[in-house]
Amino acid sequence: AQRVTQPEKLLSVFKGAPVELKCNYSYSGSPELFWYVQYSRQRLQLLLRHISRESIKGFTADLNKGETSFHLKKPFAQEEDSAMYYCALSDWNKLIFGTGTRLQVFP
Amino acid sequence: KAGVTQTPRYLIKTRGQQVTLSCSPISGHRSVSWYQQTPGQGLQFLFEYFSETQRNKGNFPGRFSGRQFSNSRSEMNVSTLELGDSALYLCASSLLGLDNEQFFGPGTRLTVL
Repeated sequence: AQRVTQPEKLLSVFKGAPVELKCNYSYSGSPELFWYVQYSRQRLQLLLRHISRESIKGFTADLNKGETSFHLKKPFAQEEDSAMYYCALSDWNKLIFGTGTRLQVFP
Repeated sequence: KAGVTQTPRYLIKTRGQQVTLSCSPISGHRSVSWYQQTPGQGLQFLFEYFSETQRNKGNFPGRFSGRQFSNSRSEMNVSTLELGDSALYLCASSLLGLDNEQFFGPGTRLTVL
């Protein structure tokens, strides 16, 4: 069965430190993978998707099919990055979310 | 352009009642999907509608149903409410489907007493 695993519920770092939010998936095929973010009192919104290969707000994510991972990275965290981050997988007929990781960036 | 809207924002019901939630997608979006968010289970996919047809369905009992109208607005209905149905219900719209960017609404908070 398709599954998305985010092993960390909470990740706390200081401003300027590197950040890596982990995401592993199980899927037999070529999935579409996304990172969604929810800032305090805002709606869930798309941060980035693997096919676009963009860097959004300094974040990047690389799909590693061998390790079935799609980790989200940022070299220097900012306080405004504090939010809830969800990794998601789409196989066209379902959208499956991980349980989310709360990122706290301290000044 | 206006974002996804959901009404009502809050609802309190008792066990056994039924409830209808409404979602208005972004203009031009034909896909509307629904999700249940709870602290224990996280975000779970309920179903997706496209051009007035249910195209995809998650693993929820038949008490959860929905429909989509010709203007792409969608409703979700839960019958015979149970305490465990208490959750935040999110809807999202996209241009073509679940492998496109989803634009989420603010959610409807349902409390079942």
